[in-house]
Amino acid sequence: KQEVTQIPAALSVPEGENLVLNCSFTDSAIYNLQWFRQDPGKGLTSLLLIQSSQREQTSGRLNASLDKSSGRSTLYIAASQPGDSATYLCAVDQTGANNLFFGTGTRLTVIP
Amino acid sequence: DADVTQTPRNRITKTGKRIMLECSQTKGHDRMYWYRQDPGLGLRLIYYSFDVKDINKGEISDGYSVSRQAQAKFSLSLESAIPNQTALYFCATSDFLTGGSGELFFGEGSRLTVL
Repeated sequence: KQEVTQIPAALSVPEGENLVLNCSFTDSAIYNLQWFRQDPGKGLTSLLLIQSSQREQTSGRLNASLDKSSGRSTLYIAASQPGDSATYLCAVDQTGANNLFFGTGTRLTVIP
Repeated sequence: DADVTQTPRNRITKTGKRIMLECSQTKGHDRMYWYRQDPGLGLRLIYYSFDVKDINKGEISDGYSVSRQAQAKFSLSLESAIPNQTALYFCATSDFLTGGSGELFFGEGSRLTVL
């Protein structure tokens, strides 16, 4: 069974800092990998989706990379802002059916 | 209005009661999903549906049932609720038929407490 791990579980950074969130998965046979943001009491918002054939995706200040062979993905956030404070979740889809395996998330706090 | 709407948002019930959580979407997506979220365990898939006539079990379907009443509606039922079904439940949708990327769109969640 696919297992997805996110380390660290929590991270605090000062505003303006660039940061990297890590995601690792045990089975490299994936269809895609998705990064989500979850605010307290809210649902998940999709940030980036990387297909298995891709190495990275970018959206604004966010850049996600994928290294299937090593079972790793990173989410890079440039010039962090207090509004970036949230829990970030990565999830792996192995079949294309959106039967996602989720990590438990990294709770990010950006200090003004 | 939200594209994916879940009702109720919060519910407290007792062991043995039947509970239904409802989900409706205005995105026109063909695929719908039910996940539950537990602290320390992440989200896990309960059931998913590719269209009205296609229902599939997810990782943790025991104790749950679903109904896809229409393309836009997907409900989750707990026939006899038990305390370890206390969790935050999410409905999600994705677009496949019109060539969507597989991106998931989530509702805001239904918090269920079983006493």
